[in-house]
Amino acid sequence: AQSVTQLDSQVPVFEEAPVELRCNYSSSVSVYLFWYVQYPNQGLQLLLKYLSGSTLVESINGFEAEFNKSQTSFHLRKPSVHISDTAEYFCAVSDMNYGGSQGNLIFGKGTKLSVKP
Amino acid sequence: NAGVTQTPKFQVLKTGQSMTLQCAQDMNHEYMSWYRQDPGMGLRLIHYSVGAGITDQGEVPNGYNVSRSTTEDFPLRLLSAAPSQTSVYFCASSSEIDSPLHFGNGTRLTVT
Repeated sequence: AQSVTQLDSQVPVFEEAPVELRCNYSSSVSVYLFWYVQYPNQGLQLLLKYLSGSTLVESINGFEAEFNKSQTSFHLRKPSVHISDTAEYFCAVSDMNYGGSQGNLIFGKGTKLSVKP
Repeated sequence: NAGVTQTPKFQVLKTGQSMTLQCAQDMNHEYMSWYRQDPGMGLRLIHYSVGAGITDQGEVPNGYNVSRSTTEDFPLRLLSAAPSQTSVYFCASSSEIDSPLHFGNGTRLTVT
């Protein structure tokens, strides 16, 4: 079984500052990794994903995450945040193997990013 | 496309009542799942389906039933509501194991 640990429940930062949201996972098999974002009163939206290939993946709005297999981490970073980035961010893992958990994500508990002016 | 549609948006139940949360998707996705979201707990998988006629349990299945008679619909049934089931419920679908989940806007359920 997989599990996901998001090390910070809340991260307050000032606008234009850099931010890192930490995510560690545990799994006995190879996994896919995802970051989802949830804006207030909305469902979740995919931010970026790691499936294979380059360990550094980027989103269209300036976020990036790096898959580190040895440290079983998938931390999310942005060099300069905006007020509009205020949201809750969820790291998630999916079993690559065909089987009972196919197509299903296990989520971390979330990190609330609060960007202050 | 409507994507993933959940109804109702809000519901208040009394302990012991039963109800069905509806979920429909129009993207012909094989995979559908139900999650509940509670403060400080993230999203926890209740039940999921890998295709019509196939369902399985997730992390927190107790007190909930599902069925998948068509590709489009995946209703979640609460058999006898309990206050511990007060939560926001999200339905999601995807086309393949490595495809992103498409989420509905959620159903906020309160059990008194």
